[in-house]
Amino acid sequence: SQQGEEDPQALSIQEGENATMNCSYKTSINNLQWYRQNSGRGLVHLILIRSNEREKHSGRLRVTLDTSKKSSSLLITASRAADTASYFCASKAAGNKLTFGGGTRVLVKP
Amino acid sequence: NAGVTQTPKFQVLKTGQSMTLQCAQDMNHEYMSWYRQDPGMGLRLIHYSVGAGITDQGEVPNGYNVSRSTTEDFPLRLLSAAPSQTSVYFCASSYSSQGRYGYTFGSGTRLTVV
Repeated sequence: SQQGEEDPQALSIQEGENATMNCSYKTSINNLQWYRQNSGRGLVHLILIRSNEREKHSGRLRVTLDTSKKSSSLLITASRAADTASYFCASKAAGNKLTFGGGTRVLVKP
Repeated sequence: NAGVTQTPKFQVLKTGQSMTLQCAQDMNHEYMSWYRQDPGMGLRLIHYSVGAGITDQGEVPNGYNVSRSTTEDFPLRLLSAAPSQTSVYFCASSYSSQGRYGYTFGSGTRLTVV
């Protein structure tokens, strides 16, 4: 079973627009991570937010975490064609396992 | 280049054959893991290791074996391949087994079982 569920499953935007995707999880977590996967490639770690943090920034990425709602969001500002990829959230609960959601496919049109 | 190296990149097996997917990392990471990625299913954890000599099962371990004799290597063995094991396999490692850091992923092995 998937710990995380992502919404939407797919997103199409114009270059320069912002992209927002959401992630929900089921159990208490230590941290939540976001990854990007370009077509045919491995996943690349983008950002990690700890359970005691509410917001974190990294370049054009902004991640929020609401532990009361068991949800997180990833915002990509001023999107570029190179941001076209699938984005996955992954939740780290107690123990040694990182559990991934099903991903959001983002298409940025030039 | 430092990172996680997976071999082979592509493999076709016949049902019932066995094979080993190789994974090596040169970052002295404590934690290593194997995931499979299927369309619409995200990534599912197969097996993981928190250090040399220590392995444990993930979400979908049946049909797979692992061992970790060194810090660097974490091979995944398919015992008797089945069409249901057709998937893309990713090896990932992390500095800490406590999950305080992000994972570094290999580029994947695309396996087809016919």
